[in-house]
Formats: sequence, structure tokens, C-alpha cells
Amino acid sequence: KAGVTQTPRYLIKTRGQQVTLSCSPISGHRSVSWYQQTPGQGLQFLFEYFSETQRNKGNFPGRFSGRQFSNSRSEMNVSTLELGDSALYLCASSSQGLHTEAFFGQGTRLTVV
Amino acid sequence: AQSVTQPDIHITVSEGASLELRCNYSYGATPYLFWYVQSPGQGLQLLLKYFSGDTLVQGIKGFEAEFKRSQSSFNLRKPSVHWSDAAEYFCAVVIDNTGGFKTIFGAGTRLFVKA
Repeated sequence: KAGVTQTPRYLIKTRGQQVTLSCSPISGHRSVSWYQQTPGQGLQFLFEYFSETQRNKGNFPGRFSGRQFSNSRSEMNVSTLELGDSALYLCASSSQGLHTEAFFGQGTRLTVV
Repeated sequence: AQSVTQPDIHITVSEGASLELRCNYSYGATPYLFWYVQSPGQGLQLLLKYFSGDTLVQGIKGFEAEFKRSQSSFNLRKPSVHWSDAAEYFCAVVIDNTGGFKTIFGAGTRLFVKA
């Protein structure tokens, strides 16, 4: 069974631009959650999608948004990038939700210059 | 507010020695409890989880953790550390948040293993 796939692995963007990150969950998993990991703030929960609906979100500004498609693939978008958005963005999939076992992708390393 | 505390930022142990990584949480009920490990440049791998029942849970790679409700703790242990265990370890809780769930991670403990 293929694992969680995140694309791209690395990305460099300029301040003010926007970016879209992609996550393909494990086949059959309906829950996809996103996290931001930085040295200063650690791992922070962004949001969770289940069957195309956002079920929960963390404390991030509206510049961070996401969506989930009918095949459970998810995208995360960050608009008007700031230097502080530089981070490793991790996606995790699970069958029923965060309270069950989650499988993480390798992440997308975003650098904002 | 809900939180997860991993009081040790770094821990160094000798290969073959025992290990205990501490985790305390603040939440009004019993959350879902997890330990993850992250190697450099990689995503997180689940070591073990606690939902209910027996408070001592076994995980992969010889790890175990004990849930102590009275102390709001979920400490991770391994009787004999191997050099390959050097990594960063994260304790996480999943809480029920107004109809959905959200994950709160601790700050992580980086484990160094001495030969």
C-alpha cells in the first residue's frame, strides 16, 4: 500500500507570492490533516479535512486555506507569503480522523525569501 | 487551555542504557495519546498510541508508554537504547474540539545516543 505522498518536496517562493501544496493520502483514508513545523513554534495543527469538509482548524490566519477533493487528495494554499511562513509542512492521513492512527508524509519544505 | 509539555529539550543516553522521555498534558478529560518519532528531514512515524484500557501500551521498535491519569502523564520508555534510536520524539494528544478533533504536539525531545 503506498504511503502518504506530498508534492513538491522543496519549494522556494518570494514574499507576497502564493503557494499550493499537495497531499495524496493512503488509499481508502478519508481524513487529511495539515501541520506546520518550524524550529521556533514546533509542530502546529493547521486543519483537518474529512470527506471534503473541513472539520477543524488551528489558530492560523486566513491566508492559510485548504480543500479536499472527492478522491481525498488535499491541497493547502498560503497566500501573500511572509518570511515567517518558511517551514516544513506535513500532511497526515487516517481512516476515520485524528483520533485514529495517522500516517505522515515526508513533508514539503517551503522557503520564503 | 489545552497543552502538551515535554520538559526535556535534549536527552543524551549511552547505547544500551534505558530511556524515559517525559510527557505531561493539560486537558479536562482523557485525550487520545500518541508518541511519534521523526528522523532528520523525514515525516513523523507513529511509535504507539493510547485510547483506553490497559494503561501500559507497547509500540514498535521496543518502545512502551504508560498512561497515568493522576499525573496527566504519558511517558515513553525503552529498556535498552540503540544508536538508531537517535531522533526527535514528539508526544501528541488529540482532543475532541466542538465536533471535530485537533492535535496538539509537545515541543519535542531530541535524543542523542553515545557509543
